[in-house]
Amino acid sequence: NAGVMQNPRHLVRRRGQEARLRCSPMKGHSHVYWYRQLPEEGLKFMVYLQKENIIDESGMPKERFSAEFPKEGPSILRIQQVVRGDSAAYFCASSRSQAGEETQYFGPGTRLLVL
Amino acid sequence: QKEVEQDPGPLSVPEGAIVSLNCTYSNSAFQYFMWYRQYSRKGPELLMYTYSSGNKEDGRFTAQVDKSSKYISLFIRDSQPSDSATYLCAMSAYGNKLVFGAGTILRVKS
Repeated sequence: NAGVMQNPRHLVRRRGQEARLRCSPMKGHSHVYWYRQLPEEGLKFMVYLQKENIIDESGMPKERFSAEFPKEGPSILRIQQVVRGDSAAYFCASSRSQAGEETQYFGPGTRLLVL
Repeated sequence: QKEVEQDPGPLSVPEGAIVSLNCTYSNSAFQYFMWYRQYSRKGPELLMYTYSSGNKEDGRFTAQVDKSSKYISLFIRDSQPSDSATYLCAMSAYGNKLVFGAGTILRVKS
């Protein structure tokens, strides 16, 4: 009965490199959410996806960040040309249906460190 | 002003105490309210989920929602050292993104 899976758990990148974070939702869940937790701050919503669709990306930075949830495979959060300010914990959550009707369950997170 | 306000603590209590954690919010559109527990360097773990005003109890945990005051609470009875963690309140309006409080650090001393 696997929960939400994220990999890698830790990722180190140098400034200017690309970071790819993966999220596999819980079995039976078709809604995926990405959140970012900066040091000493709460979690901030980034993007909400269903299979092959971005539903709400109001929390995504306008540049360098993108997300997808393909028909097959995990959801991917991609950060291009990383900067030190991107260092944070990135959490993925999933729900069976739209949150509110079914609440969100979180993965263990990917901790990104940009050198 | 933040949409969700939560005292970051830390809150330090002796083992066996009743703990009260609170959040206030400003957006009257919030309908769904959650409490998550987060241990250091782990993902948030869902504790309680409530919809509308009222109380909900689950074991040692009780969640209260007062929509008229825009105030939610989580009570922990007979607190244990294993309850030491950061407690996050979260809420949503239309069923997609969650808005989180900053989290309250709780320390239960044995």
